[in-house]
Amino acid sequence: LAKTTQPISMDSYEGQEVNITCSHNNIATNDYITWYQQFPSQGPRFIIQGYKTKVTNEVASLFIPADRKSSTLSLPRVSLSDTAVYYCLVPPGGNTPLVFGKGTRLSVIA
Amino acid sequence: GAGVSQSPSNKVTEKGKDVELRCDPISGHTALYWYRQSLGQGLEFLIYFQGNSAPDKSGLPSDRFSAERTGGSVSTLTIQRTQQEDSAVYLCASSYGQLYNEQFFGPGTRLTVL
Repeated sequence: LAKTTQPISMDSYEGQEVNITCSHNNIATNDYITWYQQFPSQGPRFIIQGYKTKVTNEVASLFIPADRKSSTLSLPRVSLSDTAVYYCLVPPGGNTPLVFGKGTRLSVIA
Repeated sequence: GAGVSQSPSNKVTEKGKDVELRCDPISGHTALYWYRQSLGQGLEFLIYFQGNSAPDKSGLPSDRFSAERTGGSVSTLTIQRTQQEDSAVYLCASSYGQLYNEQFFGPGTRLTVL
């Protein structure tokens, strides 16, 4: 089964770029990598999804190397409002639902 | 359009009582998920409904937990004989189409068992 590993927590100052790397060594050939963001007292929300190379939207960028065994979520110029938990997800296999795990708790400091 | 809604937003109950939590998914979404999140923890998958297929109940922690989805829309999560360890935020999500499509989450129900 495919599993993900990501740092438990990260701290950053406002205005900096934040990169959160997730490893997923057993990702299946056809599977996508998905990231969700969860603010305190809210449900998670989808932020970005990718298969290979680079994906960018208005919120973040996702970098995926050729071997796809890891991915990096990049948040440009973070602000205090980016303080949240970020979850990296890949299909675990066996047609089973995504496993959210504990994610990475990002704290942005003024 | 309207998002996923859940009710009640907060529920306080006494140990041993039964509780029902409701989820109204986004109209047209075929899949519905229930998760549980204890304080400071990640999301724990409970149950997954997809269309008219038999639900995936593999995440239900005990036989005190059950869920129904009527008419392919509204879902109710029932916890019988609640225990203090059931205290958590219960989150519902819905999605359209395949299993790994984007999930849209509701605001959750905070359950406190005294």
